[in-house]
Amino acid sequence: EVQLVQSGAEVKKPGESLKISCKASGYDFTSYWIAWVRQIPGKGLEWMGKIDPGDSYTYYNPSFQGHVTISADKSIDTASLQWSRLEASDTAMYYCARGLSAVVFNWGQGTLVTVSS
Amino acid sequence: QSALTQPASVSGSPGQSITISCTGTSSDVDDYDYVSWYQQYPGKAPKLMIYDVSNRPSGVSSRFSGSKSGNTASLTISGLQAEDEADYYCSSYTTSTTLYLFGTGTKVTVL
Repeated sequence: EVQLVQSGAEVKKPGESLKISCKASGYDFTSYWIAWVRQIPGKGLEWMGKIDPGDSYTYYNPSFQGHVTISADKSIDTASLQWSRLEASDTAMYYCARGLSAVVFNWGQGTLVTVSS
Repeated sequence: QSALTQPASVSGSPGQSITISCTGTSSDVDDYDYVSWYQQYPGKAPKLMIYDVSNRPSGVSSRFSGSKSGNTASLTISGLQAEDEADYYCSSYTTSTTLYLFGTGTKVTVL
Protein backbone atom coordinates (compact mmCIF):
# COMPACT_ATOMS: atom_id res chain seq x y z
CA GLU A 1 0.00 0.00 0.00
CA VAL A 2 1.34 3.42 -0.98
CA GLN A 3 1.71 5.72 2.01
CA LEU A 4 3.00 9.24 2.48
CA VAL A 5 3.42 10.01 6.17
CA GLN A 6 4.17 13.60 7.05
CA SER A 7 5.79 15.03 10.15
CA GLY A 8 3.67 16.55 12.87
CA ALA A 9 2.21 20.00 13.36
CA GLU A 10 4.61 22.86 14.07
CA VAL A 11 4.25 26.18 15.88
CA LYS A 12 6.98 28.66 15.11
CA LYS A 13 7.80 32.34 15.47
CA PRO A 14 8.39 34.69 12.53
CA GLY A 15 12.02 34.57 11.41
CA GLU A 16 12.58 30.99 12.59
CA SER A 17 13.58 28.16 10.30
CA LEU A 18 11.66 24.96 9.74
CA LYS A 19 11.92 21.68 7.84
CA ILE A 20 8.95 19.35 7.47
CA SER A 21 9.15 15.87 6.01
CA CYS A 22 7.21 13.32 4.01
CA LYS A 23 8.16 9.64 4.38
CA ALA A 24 7.15 7.48 1.43
CA SER A 25 6.55 3.75 1.44
CA GLY A 26 4.95 1.05 -0.66
CA TYR A 27 6.48 2.01 -4.00
CA ASP A 28 9.75 2.86 -5.75
CA PHE A 29 10.49 6.34 -4.38
CA THR A 30 12.53 7.33 -7.43
CA SER A 31 9.82 6.50 -9.97
CA TYR A 32 7.35 9.25 -9.04
CA TRP A 33 7.76 12.95 -8.34
CA ILE A 34 6.87 14.45 -5.00
CA ALA A 35 5.11 17.79 -4.92
CA TRP A 36 4.24 20.15 -2.09
CA VAL A 37 0.87 21.87 -1.98
CA ARG A 38 -0.16 24.69 0.33
CA GLN A 39 -3.65 25.23 1.67
CA ILE A 40 -4.25 28.32 3.75
CA PRO A 41 -7.12 27.69 6.23
CA GLY A 42 -10.46 28.11 4.48
CA LYS A 43 -8.80 28.59 1.09
CA GLY A 44 -7.91 26.55 -1.97
CA LEU A 45 -4.94 24.45 -3.04
CA GLU A 46 -1.72 26.01 -4.33
CA TRP A 47 1.01 24.12 -6.17
CA MET A 48 4.38 25.03 -4.63
CA GLY A 49 6.76 22.87 -6.61
CA LYS A 50 7.97 19.34 -7.17
CA ILE A 51 11.06 17.18 -7.07
CA ASP A 52 12.08 14.07 -8.95
CA PRO A 53 13.77 12.00 -6.23
CA GLY A 54 15.76 10.01 -8.77
CA ASP A 55 17.91 12.94 -9.84
CA SER A 56 16.72 15.65 -7.40
CA TYR A 57 15.58 17.85 -10.28
CA THR A 58 13.37 20.46 -8.70
CA TYR A 59 10.80 22.84 -10.16
CA TYR A 60 9.29 25.70 -8.19
CA ASN A 61 6.17 27.76 -8.69
CA PRO A 62 7.69 31.26 -9.09
CA SER A 63 5.41 32.45 -6.29
CA PHE A 64 7.34 30.26 -3.85
CA GLN A 65 10.83 30.20 -5.38
CA GLY A 66 13.43 31.68 -3.10
CA HIS A 67 11.25 31.35 -0.02
CA VAL A 68 11.18 27.56 0.33
CA THR A 69 13.50 24.69 -0.54
CA ILE A 70 12.29 21.28 -1.67
CA SER A 71 14.63 18.33 -1.27
CA ALA A 72 14.59 14.56 -1.26
CA ASP A 73 16.80 11.85 0.24
CA LYS A 74 16.32 8.64 -1.71
CA SER A 75 18.37 6.67 0.82
CA ILE A 76 15.51 7.07 3.30
CA ASP A 77 12.60 7.61 0.87
CA THR A 78 11.86 11.00 2.35
CA ALA A 79 11.07 14.37 0.82
CA SER A 80 11.30 17.65 2.69
CA LEU A 81 10.11 21.23 2.54
CA GLN A 82 12.06 23.87 4.39
CA TRP A 83 12.05 27.55 5.19
CA SER A 84 15.04 29.57 6.41
CA ARG A 85 12.90 32.47 7.64
CA LEU A 86 9.22 31.90 8.32
CA GLU A 87 6.62 34.63 7.98
CA ALA A 88 3.16 34.85 9.50
CA SER A 89 1.75 34.41 5.99
CA ASP A 90 3.30 30.92 5.88
CA THR A 91 0.62 29.71 8.30
CA ALA A 92 -1.11 26.93 6.39
CA MET A 93 -1.59 23.22 5.93
CA TYR A 94 1.11 21.70 3.73
CA TYR A 95 0.55 18.49 1.82
CA CYS A 96 3.09 16.33 0.09
CA ALA A 97 1.80 14.44 -2.91
CA ARG A 98 3.04 11.63 -5.15
CA GLY A 99 2.52 11.89 -8.87
CA LEU A 100 3.38 10.92 -12.39
CA SER A 101 3.04 13.02 -15.53
CA ALA A 102 0.45 15.63 -14.50
CA VAL A 103 -1.49 13.55 -11.98
CA VAL A 104 -1.31 13.47 -8.20
CA PHE A 105 -2.18 9.90 -7.24
CA ASN A 106 -1.61 10.03 -3.50
CA TRP A 107 -1.49 12.65 -0.79
CA GLY A 108 0.07 12.82 2.65
CA GLN A 109 -2.12 13.57 5.63
CA GLY A 110 -0.88 17.16 5.81
CA THR A 111 1.32 19.14 8.21
CA LEU A 112 -0.15 22.21 9.85
CA VAL A 113 2.38 25.01 10.21
CA THR A 114 1.44 27.93 12.46
CA VAL A 115 3.66 31.01 12.50
CA SER A 116 2.84 33.48 15.22
CA SER A 117 4.69 35.79 17.53
CA GLN B 1 -3.40 33.07 -14.51
CA SER B 2 -3.07 31.96 -10.91
CA ALA B 3 -6.00 29.54 -10.75
CA LEU B 4 -8.57 27.81 -12.91
CA THR B 5 -12.11 29.14 -12.43
CA GLN B 6 -14.76 27.02 -10.73
CA PRO B 7 -18.17 27.96 -9.34
CA ALA B 8 -17.99 28.56 -5.60
CA SER B 9 -20.87 26.22 -4.87
CA VAL B 10 -23.15 23.69 -6.52
CA SER B 11 -26.03 21.90 -4.87
CA GLY B 12 -28.45 19.14 -5.69
CA SER B 13 -30.92 16.73 -4.15
CA PRO B 14 -30.13 13.07 -3.54
CA GLY B 15 -30.37 11.10 -6.76
CA GLN B 16 -29.91 14.10 -9.01
CA SER B 17 -26.93 14.82 -11.24
CA ILE B 18 -24.75 17.87 -10.88
CA THR B 19 -21.93 19.24 -13.00
CA ILE B 20 -18.97 21.33 -11.85
CA SER B 21 -17.15 23.41 -14.45
CA CYS B 22 -13.47 24.30 -14.54
CA THR B 23 -12.49 27.07 -16.93
CA GLY B 24 -8.95 27.69 -18.04
CA THR B 25 -7.15 29.09 -21.06
CA SER B 26 -5.29 28.03 -24.17
CA SER B 27 -2.20 27.62 -21.98
CA ASP B 28 -3.72 24.85 -19.89
CA VAL B 29 -7.14 23.17 -20.12
CA ASP B 30 -7.65 23.92 -23.81
CA ASP B 31 -4.29 22.64 -24.93
CA TYR B 32 -3.68 19.56 -22.80
CA ASP B 33 -5.68 16.52 -21.74
CA TYR B 34 -4.10 16.70 -18.29
CA VAL B 35 -7.11 17.71 -16.22
CA SER B 36 -7.63 16.03 -12.86
CA TRP B 37 -10.33 16.33 -10.21
CA TYR B 38 -9.90 15.97 -6.45
CA GLN B 39 -12.41 15.54 -3.66
CA GLN B 40 -11.63 16.99 -0.24
CA TYR B 41 -13.61 16.55 2.97
CA PRO B 42 -13.13 19.15 5.74
CA GLY B 43 -9.91 18.55 7.62
CA LYS B 44 -8.82 15.77 5.26
CA ALA B 45 -6.34 15.44 2.43
CA PRO B 46 -7.64 15.61 -1.15
CA LYS B 47 -8.38 12.39 -3.04
CA LEU B 48 -7.99 11.81 -6.77
CA MET B 49 -11.35 11.22 -8.48
CA ILE B 50 -10.63 11.75 -12.19
CA TYR B 51 -7.37 12.09 -14.14
CA ASP B 52 -6.44 12.87 -17.74
CA VAL B 53 -9.88 14.46 -18.26
CA SER B 54 -12.04 11.36 -17.99
CA ASN B 55 -10.18 8.44 -16.40
CA ARG B 56 -11.30 7.05 -13.05
CA PRO B 57 -8.77 5.50 -10.65
CA SER B 58 -9.68 2.08 -9.35
CA GLY B 59 -12.01 2.32 -6.37
CA VAL B 60 -13.70 5.55 -7.45
CA SER B 61 -17.43 5.24 -8.03
CA SER B 62 -18.65 5.19 -11.63
CA ARG B 63 -21.07 7.95 -10.60
CA PHE B 64 -18.14 10.34 -11.14
CA SER B 65 -17.27 11.23 -14.71
CA GLY B 66 -15.18 13.87 -16.42
CA SER B 67 -15.17 15.60 -19.78
CA LYS B 68 -13.69 18.58 -21.57
CA SER B 69 -14.71 20.99 -24.30
CA GLY B 70 -12.29 23.66 -25.37
CA ASN B 71 -11.00 25.53 -22.35
CA THR B 72 -13.64 24.16 -19.97
CA ALA B 73 -13.48 20.84 -18.17
CA SER B 74 -16.39 19.36 -16.25
CA LEU B 75 -16.96 16.89 -13.45
CA THR B 76 -20.38 15.26 -13.31
CA ILE B 77 -21.67 13.45 -10.26
CA SER B 78 -24.71 11.34 -11.06
CA GLY B 79 -27.05 9.79 -8.50
CA LEU B 80 -25.95 12.34 -5.91
CA GLN B 81 -25.48 10.92 -2.42
CA ALA B 82 -25.00 12.52 0.97
CA GLU B 83 -21.40 11.29 1.06
CA ASP B 84 -20.63 13.37 -2.04
CA GLU B 85 -20.91 16.55 0.02
CA ALA B 86 -17.34 17.91 -0.07
CA ASP B 87 -15.08 20.40 -1.80
CA TYR B 88 -13.93 19.58 -5.33
CA TYR B 89 -10.86 20.97 -7.08
CA CYS B 90 -9.80 20.64 -10.69
CA SER B 91 -6.18 20.87 -11.77
CA SER B 92 -4.35 21.12 -15.04
CA TYR B 93 -0.88 21.16 -16.47
CA THR B 94 0.00 24.61 -17.78
CA THR B 95 2.68 26.04 -19.99
CA SER B 96 2.95 28.99 -17.63
CA THR B 97 5.83 29.07 -15.18
CA THR B 98 3.69 27.61 -12.40
CA LEU B 99 3.66 24.24 -14.26
CA TYR B 100 0.43 23.12 -12.61
CA LEU B 101 -2.71 24.99 -11.66
CA PHE B 102 -5.52 24.14 -9.29
CA GLY B 103 -9.05 25.41 -9.61
CA THR B 104 -10.61 27.80 -7.12
CA GLY B 105 -12.65 24.97 -5.61
CA THR B 106 -16.36 24.14 -5.52
CA LYS B 107 -18.36 23.25 -2.45
CA VAL B 108 -20.95 20.60 -3.25
CA THR B 109 -23.99 20.55 -1.00
CA VAL B 110 -26.50 17.72 -0.97
CA LEU B 111 -29.87 19.21 -0.10
